[in-house]
Amino acid sequence: AQSVTQPDIHITVSEGASLELRCNYSYGATPYLFWYVQSPGQGLQLLLKYFSGDTLVQGIKGFEAEFKRSQSSFNLRKPSVHWSDAAEYFCAVGVKAAGNKLTFGGGTRVLVKP
Amino acid sequence: DTAVSQTPKYLVTQMGNDKSIKCEQNLGHDTMYWYKQDSKKFLKIMFSYNNKELIINETVPNRFSPKSPDKAHLNLHINSLELGDSAVYFCASSPTGEWQFFGPGTRLTVL
Repeated sequence: AQSVTQPDIHITVSEGASLELRCNYSYGATPYLFWYVQSPGQGLQLLLKYFSGDTLVQGIKGFEAEFKRSQSSFNLRKPSVHWSDAAEYFCAVGVKAAGNKLTFGGGTRVLVKP
Repeated sequence: DTAVSQTPKYLVTQMGNDKSIKCEQNLGHDTMYWYKQDSKKFLKIMFSYNNKELIINETVPNRFSPKSPDKAHLNLHINSLELGDSAVYFCASSPTGEWQFFGPGTRLTVL
């Protein structure tokens, strides 16, 4: 069965600084990979997704993520954080053979200092 | 226009009651899902329907019963509510199963 680990529970970053959120997955083949963001009291919004092809994917709100098969990682990055980026970020794995259900990591809460 | 909507947004009820949460999507997607997010923000799949047919049924108590009257709707009925059922329940829909569009969530509080 697939699993996702987000090693960092909390990350605090200054506004304007760069951000990197780590995600490691476990699955025998190449899965579908996703990053979702959840603002306080809100639902989940898809930031970006990787299915195949170019391993560097661009998403909304200036985010990008890089798939590294050798490290089983799909880290999320943003070069310059805005106060509105404070939220909970979830990495997820989707497996077609499993009915396309998403398995989520535990989430990383991002706090942005002024 | 709301793509995936859930009603109600908040639900407060007593232990032992039966309640339903409704989900509707106007995206024309074939597949719909229910997820549960616990107090620690952990998200877990509960059910999935494809064109009204159940395709995923994770280890969920029998007190939870999904119903899909048509492919645009997936409702969740919960019998004999327990304290541990308190959570945020998210509905999602998917065009091809590869990515999912989430609703705003329903916060269920069982007293």
